[in-house]
Amino acid sequence: QVQLQESGPGLVKPSETLSLTCTVSGGSIISYYWSWIRQPPGKGLEWIGYIYHSGSTNYNPSLQSRVTISVDTSKNQFSLKLSSVTAADTAMYYCARSGVNGNYFDYWGQGTLVTVSS
Amino acid sequence: DIQMTQSPSTLSASVGDRVTITCRASQSISNWLAWYQQKPGKAPKLLIYKASSLESGVPSRFSGSGSGTEFTLTISSLQPDDFATYYCQQFRGYSTFGGGTKVEIK
Repeated sequence: QVQLQESGPGLVKPSETLSLTCTVSGGSIISYYWSWIRQPPGKGLEWIGYIYHSGSTNYNPSLQSRVTISVDTSKNQFSLKLSSVTAADTAMYYCARSGVNGNYFDYWGQGTLVTVSS
Repeated sequence: DIQMTQSPSTLSASVGDRVTITCRASQSISNWLAWYQQKPGKAPKLLIYKASSLESGVPSRFSGSGSGTEFTLTISSLQPDDFATYYCQQFRGYSTFGGGTKVEIK
């Protein structure tokens, strides 16, 4: 059974960089797409971007200038960096898997809440 | 970008009711649509992909239909475990989600 687990700081200061890592267990990171999705408290879902195991990426245009997603296949991990954060970036951040048949998400992490505050 | 509009935003229903949720896309997305169920404090769970394909392990009372710009999620007989928020997601372009439909107890 594939499991995803997010990790990283729960509190980030405004203007700094948010950094999260997702560790994949119970399966290989190879041959899948790996996404970050966020959900502000009480609001809907926003796809941030994905990375393929080869390192190719695709980002939400609204966040593209601030987002970097990277992958470490040796550790079965992928990571998110979001720069110049503001309070609007406060959200639950999820990592999720999608396959080659379409960017829909069949496995999700439990999520990690990141608060942007000084 | 492709906008997804769900209706209603809230739905009150009783156990055993047939429930239908609608999702409209701002442009044609063929059948590149998925449906998710989310319960408070939990990650979304995939129910339907490619508009009408039932994810493995999801009860058959859930079904999806539609293509182009209009899609529906139907729960044939609402069960106590089904009270949750439901989201549609298009993945023709970069992914976007609908605003959600909360199914609450009547």
